[in-house]
Amino acid sequence: GDSVTQMEGPVTLSEEAFLTINCTYTATGYPSLFWYVQYPGEGLQLLLKATKADDKGSNKGFEATYRKETTSFHLEKGSVQVSDSAVYFCALRGTNAGKSTFGDGTTLTVKP
Amino acid sequence: NAGVTQTPKFRILKIGQSMTLQCTQDMNHNYMYWYRQDPGMGLKLIYYSVGAGITDKGEVPNGYNVSRSTTEDFPLRLELAAPSQTSVYFCASRNGPYSNQPQHFGDGTRLSIL
Repeated sequence: GDSVTQMEGPVTLSEEAFLTINCTYTATGYPSLFWYVQYPGEGLQLLLKATKADDKGSNKGFEATYRKETTSFHLEKGSVQVSDSAVYFCALRGTNAGKSTFGDGTTLTVKP
Repeated sequence: NAGVTQTPKFRILKIGQSMTLQCTQDMNHNYMYWYRQDPGMGLKLIYYSVGAGITDKGEVPNGYNVSRSTTEDFPLRLELAAPSQTSVYFCASRNGPYSNQPQHFGDGTRLSIL
């Protein structure tokens, strides 16, 4: 079946540091890939998505590229802010699939 | 836009009590989902629905029931509350059937069973 493996956390960075959160997946066919963010006390929100190989999703300075050859969708940001502190979830949905598969989440803390 | 609305936001139950967690969405989405999130953990799918009158089990359905009589509403029922059901419950919806549509989440119901 489908699976998503995320970089284990927690991750602690200083403000303006470079962020990478690794995500690899196993799926048949050509799934759509998503990054969601969860701020404390809130539900998940879509951060970005990519729906085919080599697509780059981007939003709020975050980027992730759909790499089919390495089955990866790593999240990056060039300069993190304290306000980026949250839990980040990688997810996939296979073609014609009613359900999504989520990673376990990576907690990011950014210190001033 | 209200999006996905969950009620209540917080609830404390005694062991053996029952309750219904409400979820409604105003986006006319046909797909809806219930997840639970235990502290420090990811999401586990309880039940989902691809349209009114159709529901299916997820990974952890035991102890829960759902119904989907309308497109807007997808309530989750706990019949005999147990301490293991202490968790945060999230409802989500999306526009189907295409796989590229993201899910929209509610703010969650924080449930404690004592």
